[in-house]
Amino acid sequence: DAGITQSPRYKITETGRQVTLMCHQTWSHSYMFWYRQDLGHGLRLIYYSAAADITDKGEVPDGYVVSRSKTENFPLTLESATRSQTSVYFCASRASGGAGNEQFFGPGTRLTVL
Amino acid sequence: QKEVEQNSGPLSVPEGAIASLNCTYSDRGSQSFFWYRQYSGKSPELIMSIYSNGDKEDGRFTAQLNKASQYVSLLIRDSQPSDSATYLCAVNEAYNFNKFYFGSGTKLNVKP
Repeated sequence: DAGITQSPRYKITETGRQVTLMCHQTWSHSYMFWYRQDLGHGLRLIYYSAAADITDKGEVPDGYVVSRSKTENFPLTLESATRSQTSVYFCASRASGGAGNEQFFGPGTRLTVL
Repeated sequence: QKEVEQNSGPLSVPEGAIASLNCTYSDRGSQSFFWYRQYSGKSPELIMSIYSNGDKEDGRFTAQLNKASQYVSLLIRDSQPSDSATYLCAVNEAYNFNKFYFGSGTKLNVKP
């Protein structure tokens, strides 16, 4: 079925471990985004991508790595997880980069770092 | 650091009343403004977008934008219990339509 999916939906890991959160969209949207949502902070942009092999930093990129080898996938990797990275992570996609295009959000991944 | 400010609430209104949600932003060059609704445990969904000064109406929702005052608001008429959610304001970074800054959201409770 079409849409934007994230996996896993829930993840518990330990400090120092590497974790990869997956995002897949079936719309062939050019733009994809990763946000984290913490109580009191709203959504904060981590990284975004304008196309395959084109990525750029957002507001809070430290401690995260992204790649985009295929248009439909945009994985987010925490190379060495820290407790401060405990959060809900949302992936989003957007058809193009113009002013009027809506971002569609995935269901989110709740990550807990112990 | 770009800032988008919202009153965290909760804002409580009776069913059938008008709910007024407000948002201020710091980046004077911002050009795109969005309101998202987020139910507890769910992902944000777009309600309204607005780009020009003035009002934009869509059903029971009206977005209002005043760029001179750096202020955007959302009015919900005939509020329903199903409107109870957190409302997020999003503003783009000036000259970059792919960097958005979100407010922390206003929680709205509509009481039957």
